[in-house]
Amino acid sequence: EPEVTQTPSHQVTQMGQEVILRCVPISNHLYFYWYRQILGQKVEFLVSFYNNEISEKSEIFDDQFSVERPDGSNFTLKIRSTKLEDSAMYFCASSDEMNTEAFFGQGTRLTVV
Amino acid sequence: GNSVTQMEGPVTLSEEAFLTINCTYTATGYPSLFWYVQYPGEGLQLLLKATKADDKGSNKGFEATYRKETTSFHLEKGSVQVSDSAVYFCALRNTNAGKSTFGDGTTLTVKP
Repeated sequence: EPEVTQTPSHQVTQMGQEVILRCVPISNHLYFYWYRQILGQKVEFLVSFYNNEISEKSEIFDDQFSVERPDGSNFTLKIRSTKLEDSAMYFCASSDEMNTEAFFGQGTRLTVV
Repeated sequence: GNSVTQMEGPVTLSEEAFLTINCTYTATGYPSLFWYVQYPGEGLQLLLKATKADDKGSNKGFEATYRKETTSFHLEKGSVQVSDSAVYFCALRNTNAGKSTFGDGTTLTVKP
């Protein structure tokens, strides 16, 4: 069964460092998303991406964040200068259409120390 | 804006007990509704979905019916197992917006 894959599964980084979280969405999907889940809290929307551009972003997705689809298969989330409060599980998701179910990856646990 | 309200947890049940996790929503238009499950240390898995009013989603013994009149999508299972212990998230997506809006999650623990 097709699945969304994310790497790495766990990343530890020092405050102020840049991190890139990687995702390979399901191959025929056109809509891509990043969500985050701070430990024990709800899943929060960060950004959606379609047709090589951001279609929607939340207030969490500030100038420190960026997304890219560099090669037609990967979908990345970059955090330019990490803060302690960026520590969370980051989920990538994809869907084939805007209103069908999104399939989620296993997540990357980011720990900022 | 859209919002999802879930029954507060945690919920602790004995094996073979009946489960209900309440979920109500606020949305414009006619959203699709979903239940996701997150097992310990894992990601989000789609459990079931319903795309229009009166639809019933079902999977692995779990069921939920899309009730437009009460804006609800309660999750039920007739007989829970220890392996059902997980966090359950109710979510919605509008037809004209790709993002999903999640509830806070309900932690279910099933004891033998």
